[in-house]
Amino acid sequence: AQKVTQAQTEISVVEKEDVTLDCVYETRDTTYYLFWYKQPPSGELVFLIRRNSFDEQNEISGRYSWNFQKSTSSFNFTITASQVVDSAVYFCALSEAFTSGTYKYIFGTGTRLKVLA
Amino acid sequence: DADVTQTPRNRITKTGKRIMLECSQTKGHDRMYWYRQDPGLGLRLIYYSFDVKDINKGEISDGYSVSRQAQAKFSLSLESAIPNQTALYFCATSGAGADTEAFFGQGTRLTVV
Repeated sequence: AQKVTQAQTEISVVEKEDVTLDCVYETRDTTYYLFWYKQPPSGELVFLIRRNSFDEQNEISGRYSWNFQKSTSSFNFTITASQVVDSAVYFCALSEAFTSGTYKYIFGTGTRLKVLA
Repeated sequence: DADVTQTPRNRITKTGKRIMLECSQTKGHDRMYWYRQDPGLGLRLIYYSFDVKDINKGEISDGYSVSRQAQAKFSLSLESAIPNQTALYFCATSGAGADTEAFFGQGTRLTVV
């Protein structure tokens, strides 16, 4: 069965520190997609990144980077030089396509990141 | 305007009352979802719909019902609200493929007293 585990419930760091948010997934399929979303204090969910199971290249976008390792079923998210505005709940999610053409998203329980000034 | 709009944004209701949460989207997508967010439990799927004629139960559908009135509209009903349905509710929509991201509404904070 599909499952996404975010073992870190809450992380606190001081501004300018680097921080890594862990995401471990379980799936039996060979084709699947992984996502990260950010939920700032205002409550909306903001899409950050998508990665497919055939692309293990790491990705960097400004201070954000993502490390996808199929060998450990992990899709970790690192924020470099964290800022107070990074304070949010971050969700990792998995989707896989079924032969019927349907799919569902499975979300992890989220990691609350607090960046202290 | 937001791609996905939920109404109301906040609601307090009494135990036993019927309440409807509404969702509309302008993305033109066929797929729509209702999720519930509780602290420590993440986002859990209540119902999902892949087109106007297709409705599916998610992992926590008991106590809820939905109606897909049109491609753009998907409403969630609590027939008889109970306090443990107090939560933040999100509507979402996504495109045709599993590789597409979901677009979420701003959420509805529901309190059942």
